[in-house]
Amino acid sequence: AQSVTQLGSHVSVSEGALVLLRCNYSSSVPPYLFWYVQYPNQGLQLLLKYTSAATLVKGINGFEAEFKKSETSFHLTKPSAHMSDAAEYFCAVSDQNTGGGNKLTFGTGTQLKVEL
Amino acid sequence: GAGVSQSPRYKVAKRGQDVALRCDPISGHVSLFWYQQALGQGPEFLTYFQNEAQLDKSGLPSDRFFAERPEGSVSTLKIQRTQQEDSAVYLCASSRDRGNTIYFGEGSWLTVV
Repeated sequence: AQSVTQLGSHVSVSEGALVLLRCNYSSSVPPYLFWYVQYPNQGLQLLLKYTSAATLVKGINGFEAEFKKSETSFHLTKPSAHMSDAAEYFCAVSDQNTGGGNKLTFGTGTQLKVEL
Repeated sequence: GAGVSQSPRYKVAKRGQDVALRCDPISGHVSLFWYQQALGQGPEFLTYFQNEAQLDKSGLPSDRFFAERPEGSVSTLKIQRTQQEDSAVYLCASSRDRGNTIYFGEGSWLTVV
């Protein structure tokens, strides 16, 4: 079975500061890993995904994440936070065997607050 | 529209009432998923369709939940005899095929009173 742990249900940063949202995964098979963002009353939007190519993945809105197999981590970073980044962020995992569809297992989410 | 469309966006149901939630996937998308997102939680998988075939329904919480996609396009999630614990956002998602990026709709917010 696969699982995802997001450390910190709430993270607060100052505008312009580094954003670091943590995600650790557990998977018995090589994983695909994803970060999604959810703005209030909206659906999930894909930020970036790791699919076994480059371990450093760049996404939309200046976000990036690095897959570290030795640490079973896929932390999300952004060098400089913007007020518009305030939202809930979800890390998700699926396995590379797509026979059952690319079913996603999500973490419980991290609410990012950006302060002036 | 170009995205996944869900209706109704908001639904208030009395306990014991049946509800039906509709999902229009992106045109041409073969794979369709339903997820349930309780307040303060991440989405949890309910069921998966490949065209009209329901290949995985392991996440459906009880036999009160039923999903269909008869023509391989629009899907309906039906909840019979709703209970308060069914209150959640129900997210529909689609992808071009297995292994492709999954796109989510804005969700149907169900409140059971």
